[in-house]
Amino acid sequence: SQTIHQWPATLVQPVGSPLSLECTVEGTSNPNLYWYRQAAGRGLQLLFYSVGIGQISSEVPQNLSASRPQDRQFILSSKKLLLSDSGFYLCAWRASWRDNEQFFGPGTRLTVL
Amino acid sequence: AQSVAQPEDQVNVAEGNPLTVKCTYSVSGNPYLFWYVQYPNRGLQFLLKYITGDNLVKGSYGFEAEFNKSQTSFHLKKPSALVSDSALYFCAVGANDYKLSFGAGTTVTVRA
Repeated sequence: SQTIHQWPATLVQPVGSPLSLECTVEGTSNPNLYWYRQAAGRGLQLLFYSVGIGQISSEVPQNLSASRPQDRQFILSSKKLLLSDSGFYLCAWRASWRDNEQFFGPGTRLTVL
Repeated sequence: AQSVAQPEDQVNVAEGNPLTVKCTYSVSGNPYLFWYVQYPNRGLQFLLKYITGDNLVKGSYGFEAEFNKSQTSFHLKKPSALVSDSALYFCAVGANDYKLSFGAGTTVTVRA
C-alpha cells in the first residue's frame, strides 16, 4: 500500500531563517506531487505541483520554492522566512494515470516568530 | 478559471438527523469533483469523487454526493449523522484530474 510522510510535524522558526520541509511517498512510482498551505484551518492554497523529477510548477509567486530531487521526494524551501509564511503545510500525491484523487500527508505546522 | 463555493461556514445537526454540506462549482468543460474531510491538526482524507457516470456517488463512512450539472452543484449528504462526523469538509473541483481548486471548507458539528 502507499503511504506519504511529512516532517517535521511541527516547526517554530524565527523571521529571516531558512526553511526545509520534506515529503516522501512510498509504494508508488512517478506520482504527481503537491504542496499546499492552509491558513487558520480553512481553505487550501496550492503552492507547487510536480509531474516528474525536476519538474516544478509554481502557482503563487512568493517567498517559497520547491524541488523534486527524486521520484518520490518533494521538498519545500525558503531562504528567509516571513511572518506570513506561518501555516499548516500539506503535501499530497496522486497516481499519474487518469481519474485519480489526491492523498494527503499528515501536515507540518509552521510558526514563524 | 475554476472555483468552488461552500456557502455555509458551519452546519449544525443532531445525531441521527440527515446531514447536507453544500458545494457549487465553476469550471470550463466537464468537472472533476471531490469531497475531503479533515480532523483537527490532520491531513485531508478522501471521501468520494465524481468523474463521469451515475450522478449519485457513494463514498466512505456512509457519505454520498449528487452531481447536478444544471445547478453546477455537488452536495455532500449522509442520511444519519454521527457525532464522529464532526469535522471540516472540503469540496474540490478541477477541469482535469491533476490540478484542483478547493473550497473554503464547512465545519460540521453533530451534537449528541
